[in-house]
Amino acid sequence: GAVVSQHPSWVICKSGTSVKIECRSLDFQATTMFWYRQFPKQSLMLMATSNEGSKATYEQGVEKDKFLINHASLTLSTLTVTSAHPEDSSFYICSARDGASTDTQYFGPGTRLTVL
Amino acid sequence: GQQLNQSPQSMFIQEGEDVSMNCTSSSIFNTWLWYKQDPGEGPVLLIALYKAGELTSNGRLTAQFGTTRKDSFLNISASIPSDVGIYFCAGRRTSGTYKYIFGTGTRLKVLA
Repeated sequence: GAVVSQHPSWVICKSGTSVKIECRSLDFQATTMFWYRQFPKQSLMLMATSNEGSKATYEQGVEKDKFLINHASLTLSTLTVTSAHPEDSSFYICSARDGASTDTQYFGPGTRLTVL
Repeated sequence: GQQLNQSPQSMFIQEGEDVSMNCTSSSIFNTWLWYKQDPGEGPVLLIALYKAGELTSNGRLTAQFGTTRKDSFLNISASIPSDVGIYFCAGRRTSGTYKYIFGTGTRLKVLA
């Protein structure tokens, strides 16, 4: 149980294009999902909290117009990197909160974004 | 963003040795989680702790919720090569938020 998937697992795009990343909880409902960014050999940095049916809450320093988050259902949250630039290249990981059991977070496998 | 201090940053050990690592904070937390991350993958939950003083095992792994509620410890007994990876702690405060703050990570390498 407690499986979270992400799609795509990797993506390469040209500078200026937008990229959408999906995060799905496969066997539980997640009213809250989280989006993290991880640079090589560093820890996970929380970007935003995604709440089903309401606006996402962004961490300080994260541009909400740059990283659009939509949490349209209890099993799906999407992160769209708009007008991507090379500095947006990173490993993006989502997690989903299983509030029905013990409030733990389960992570997706991550999406490697490379912007040329 | 804020991070928890994790120690050691990295360690090389011989197969069969025991491993200890810890995570400390200046703030009180009401939940501690320990994760393992392999290269290019998402973190995998190892152990969850919900009460001060709690000691929980998962196979060869044992984690403890510090009594001050400002630290947590993870021990791995009889390490094997597949234990290699990065171990992260994550803490959640008592303020009612669902957000977790992550540690800086401990990179473990096991020498066969």
